[in-house]
Amino acid sequence: SQQGEEDPQALSIQEGENATMNCSYKTSINNLQWYRQNSGRGLVHLILIRSNEREKHSGRLRVTLDTSKKSSSLLITASRAADTASYFCATDGGSNYKLTFGKGTLLTVNP
Amino acid sequence: DAMVIQNPRYQVTQFGKPVTLSCSQTLNHNVMYWYQQKSSQAPKLLFHYYDKDFNNEADTPDNFQSRRPNTSFCFLDIRSPGLGDAAMYLCATSRDRTTTYEQYFGPGTRLTVT
Repeated sequence: SQQGEEDPQALSIQEGENATMNCSYKTSINNLQWYRQNSGRGLVHLILIRSNEREKHSGRLRVTLDTSKKSSSLLITASRAADTASYFCATDGGSNYKLTFGKGTLLTVNP
Repeated sequence: DAMVIQNPRYQVTQFGKPVTLSCSQTLNHNVMYWYQQKSSQAPKLLFHYYDKDFNNEADTPDNFQSRRPNTSFCFLDIRSPGLGDAAMYLCATSRDRTTTYEQYFGPGTRLTVT
């Protein structure tokens, strides 16, 4: 399967701490995207990283990509209670038109 | 400024009774997707429209159909819902079909089958 798999499945931290989530995938990709989903809501796009990029930043988010290890990580710095959500990576498996989502990491940020 | 709207947000239907979920967008995007997401699982792509071109996923049951009468609207029809079809249904849009573009999701419709 070309589905990404996030690790850990669940993560609980205190406000102000950093949160790191990892995504591993099996087939070569063109692009990898990260999304956030608040409980019972739709997904919100966070960041896209191309296969020829190694790192991208957006505000408090930092994404890295290691294509040799077929893995990506999402770092949220100085977390806030409002960051509590599920985080999904989505890969295209080289298809360039279809995203396949992982099962997600449930992040809980305690105030 | 809602961009992808799904109605209704919650839908209860009876086993075997046809149901239609709707999605509309104000983004004028070419692509519209339907995903099924069961509790604590990954969103699973059912099908997508690229303009008027319908693209079904190989493992999407025949019970699921879709219509896109114009750019703005897309419907998901479940002809004979079973208990296993209870899920959150997510509509998403994208400017174009390549994965270099992000997808914009609606809030979802939670379907309950009794």
